[in-house]
Amino acid sequence: QVQLVQSGSELKEPGASVKVSCKASGYTFTRHSMNWVRQAPGQGLEWMGWINMNTGNPTYAQDFTGRFVFSLDTSVNTAYLQISTLKAEDTAVYYCARDYNMVAFDIWGQGTMVSVSS
Amino acid sequence: QSALTQPASVSGSPGQSITISCTGTNSDVGAYNYVSWFQQHPGKAPKLMIYDVSNRPSGLSNRFSGSKSGNSASLTISGLQAEDEADYYCSSYTTSRTVIFGGGTKLTVL
Repeated sequence: QVQLVQSGSELKEPGASVKVSCKASGYTFTRHSMNWVRQAPGQGLEWMGWINMNTGNPTYAQDFTGRFVFSLDTSVNTAYLQISTLKAEDTAVYYCARDYNMVAFDIWGQGTMVSVSS
Repeated sequence: QSALTQPASVSGSPGQSITISCTGTNSDVGAYNYVSWFQQHPGKAPKLMIYDVSNRPSGLSNRFSGSKSGNSASLTISGLQAEDEADYYCSSYTTSRTVIFGGGTKLTVL
């Protein structure tokens, strides 16, 4: 079936980096853009940006420029989110979400909890 | 860019109907018919309930419906059921070619 499976929870110290993976199956990976969404503990959803599956070109929301990088490996149908120089405020669940058509995020990964603490 | 405005909470009794509003601007909700609604149960990933203002994904209950007027969109749930208790988020495409979410609404089924 169509699904996105994300990598497991991460516990990192401030200043470290983390790379979250999102593996797609059950559909043509390059047919739909992939979006990333952050949800801090007890908070709402924040759109982080998206990546063009054909060109690999990422677009970042204003609050997610500089330390956040989206990438792809189309050979293994996987999208990645890398966050560098982690801060405590990066502690959140990170979701990948397939965009069926213009904000119709129809398939979501199960979420990856990233905790940043010394 | 500020989040779309949703009420923090709404409530209703089983069998009743409720409506959740989502207010934006003419740069997002009012600009396109690209408004989606998501349901999120505690500890779970969001689930798409409505897209393109009023379209339901295949297999979704017709108790859920969406509409839009000007810069505001709405999600209506009719025949409220206990399992509808969840957080609901609206989202919209914007004229800046970005996506914006609402702050979320907690639905309580009394």
